[in-house]
Amino acid sequence: AQTVTQSQPEMSVQEAETVTLSCTYDTSENNYYLFWYKQPPSRQMILVIRQEAYKQQNATENRFSVNFQKAAKSFSLKISDSQLGDTAMYFCAFMTTGWGGETSGSRLTFGEGTQLTVNP
Amino acid sequence: DSGVTQTPKHLITATGQRVTLRCSPRSGDLSVYWYQQSLDQGLQFLIQYYNGEERAKGNILERFSAQQFPDLHSELNLSSLELGDSALYFCASSALYVVDIPDTQYFGPGTRLTVL
Repeated sequence: AQTVTQSQPEMSVQEAETVTLSCTYDTSENNYYLFWYKQPPSRQMILVIRQEAYKQQNATENRFSVNFQKAAKSFSLKISDSQLGDTAMYFCAFMTTGWGGETSGSRLTFGEGTQLTVNP
Repeated sequence: DSGVTQTPKHLITATGQRVTLRCSPRSGDLSVYWYQQSLDQGLQFLIQYYNGEERAKGNILERFSAQQFPDLHSELNLSSLELGDSALYFCASSALYVVDIPDTQYFGPGTRLTVL
């Protein structure tokens, strides 16, 4: 079974600074995808960034980038130039691409989440 | 706005009752997923439907059932409700599954269920 671990329950950062959220996962699969979702106080789940395991290049979306270390099974999220609107719970999620068996379908397995607060 | 709609937004009911949560996926998406977010168990996958057929099952209780209709909307039925079923229930949808292309899931706003 796949597991996702976020070891930082809470983090805080000053506006305009950079912060890194950690995530590790465990899987025996070779093909999979990793995601970061944010959940602001509105409770909406919003996709932040995604990474394909077969790609060596780290994904980047504007101020958000990841550090994907496949051998170490690590997938951290870096937020640059933090903004007040980045305050949210951030979830790391894992998805396999297979059909059938325990990994059938495209289910997301989530970590416990990291509550990020951006202070003015 | 993700394009995924869920109704109702809030639902308050009593133990032992039955409720139905409804989800309309993004236009063109064939897959629908249901997730439960509770304080003690976090975000958990319940079930996936793909073009009307059940595709994968997660930690879904026998008291819960779901289906996807020909117009691709989905309903999650929760029966014999218990206090512990109080949670935020999310529906997500994704496009046609294609090998090696990320099947990104887009989430609806959720239905908050309170069982008293």
